[in-house]
Amino acid sequence: AQSVTQPDIHITVSEGASLELRCNYSYGATPYLFWYVQSPGQGLQLLLKYFSGDTLVQGIKGFEAEFKRSQSSFNLRKPSVHWSDAAEYFCAVGYYNFNKFYFGSGTKLNVKP
Amino acid sequence: GAGVSQSPSNKVTEKGKDVELRCDPISGHTALYWYRQSLGQGLEFLIYFQGNSAPDKSGLPSDRFSAERTGGSVSTLTIQRTQQEDSAVYLCASSLGPLPDTQYFGPGTRLTVL
Repeated sequence: AQSVTQPDIHITVSEGASLELRCNYSYGATPYLFWYVQSPGQGLQLLLKYFSGDTLVQGIKGFEAEFKRSQSSFNLRKPSVHWSDAAEYFCAVGYYNFNKFYFGSGTKLNVKP
Repeated sequence: GAGVSQSPSNKVTEKGKDVELRCDPISGHTALYWYRQSLGQGLEFLIYFQGNSAPDKSGLPSDRFSAERTGGSVSTLTIQRTQQEDSAVYLCASSLGPLPDTQYFGPGTRLTVL
C-alpha cells in the first residue's frame, strides 16, 4: 500500500546549523511530493512541492528538497536553521488519478539557541 | 481572499451524541478534503470531494462518519454516536484543481468526546 515514512520523530539542531529531514515514499509510480510545516497554534502551510522537472525544488523560508527516484526519497534541507523554524514538518505524497493522499507521521524540530 | 474556514473551532460533546463539523473552502476551489489528526499523530486522510461527489469513501474510519458537500462549496462532516476515540483535530483543506493539486488547510476543529 502507498505510504510515507518520516523516520525521525524528533530532531534537535542548534541555531545556525544545517538541517535535513528525511522522507521516503513507498509506491513506485510517479509521485507528487509535498512538504508542509505546522507551527504551534498555526495551520498547515505548504513549504514546497515537486510535480515534475528539476528534482531540486526551492521553497519558502529558505527550504529546499531533492527528489531522488532511485531512493524513493524527498528529503527537506535548510543550510542554516533559525529559531523560528521550530515546528512540526510533514511530508506528503499524492498520485495522478488516485483519490487519496498520504501524509507522513511528522518530524518535530527543536532549535537550540 | 479568505482562506479555508472551519467551525466550530472547538467542540466538546458527550459520548453517544452526534456532531457536525463545517468547512468553507476557498472560493473557486473545486476540491475539498477532510483529515483527522490525533494527538501526536500524522494526518489521516478521510475523504476527498471533487465538486459535490466523493469518488472514494473508504478512508472514513467507520459507518458513523459521513460527509457531504453541497453547491460545490461548503462541506459538513458528521460523526454519529461519538466515541472517545473520535477525539482529535479535524482538518479541512481545499485545492483549485483535483488531486494531487496543492491543498490549503483550515485551522481545524478540535473535537473532545467526554
